[in-house]
Amino acid sequence: TQLLEQSPQFLSIQEGENLTVYCNSSSVFSSLQWYRQEPGEGPVLLVTVVTGGEVKKLKRLTFQFGDARKDSSLHITAAQPGDTGLYLCAGRVTGGGNKLTFGTGTQLKVEL
Amino acid sequence: GAVVSQHPSWVICKSGTSVKIECRSLDFQATTMFWYRQFPKQSLMLMATSNEGSKATYEQGVEKDKFLINHASLTLSTLTVTSAHPEDSSFYICSAGNQGLALSYEQYFGPGTRLTVT
Repeated sequence: TQLLEQSPQFLSIQEGENLTVYCNSSSVFSSLQWYRQEPGEGPVLLVTVVTGGEVKKLKRLTFQFGDARKDSSLHITAAQPGDTGLYLCAGRVTGGGNKLTFGTGTQLKVEL
Repeated sequence: GAVVSQHPSWVICKSGTSVKIECRSLDFQATTMFWYRQFPKQSLMLMATSNEGSKATYEQGVEKDKFLINHASLTLSTLTVTSAHPEDSSFYICSAGNQGLALSYEQYFGPGTRLTVT
């Protein structure tokens, strides 16, 4: 059983559209991170959220941590081809130390 | 800052041979390093956690005798895939971190190593 489920798994959209990626779990996380990964490279950290209900913005990206710290969302406004990549959420389960559990991943493709 | 390197970036080996992958933290000391594997179009799966100077902790289902991990210094961890077989072909990624403020502990990822076993 995957601890962190992401949806959708795959998303292909046109440039300029908006999208939201969800990361859900039945477990409580002490912190949750979002990464973007391009083919043949390691994941690159986008944001870390630690407080329930927290909202962080990074240019066109908005991240939200659920009030109960069991879920998170990533919203991209006016997507661009450069946003194409594999988006991964990853969290630290409360009481689980520093070990990161990765979500199932969302492959995003933004076309011209 | 917080750069992690891996070497090699790409390796092809014959079935039955062993391959060593290095993970280095270049500008910080990493008390903990993590090893992940990733199959095409899938997420990262944690294989093991290594703490400097102690034995690695392996995740359930990962054979510790097949995937040997050594974390001899605060800047270097190695993963050796012993007697590699084609099913071991994968993308191996390491990450390194240091215990700071508990809530803001972050891992920094290496660029990955593509292993192909023929």
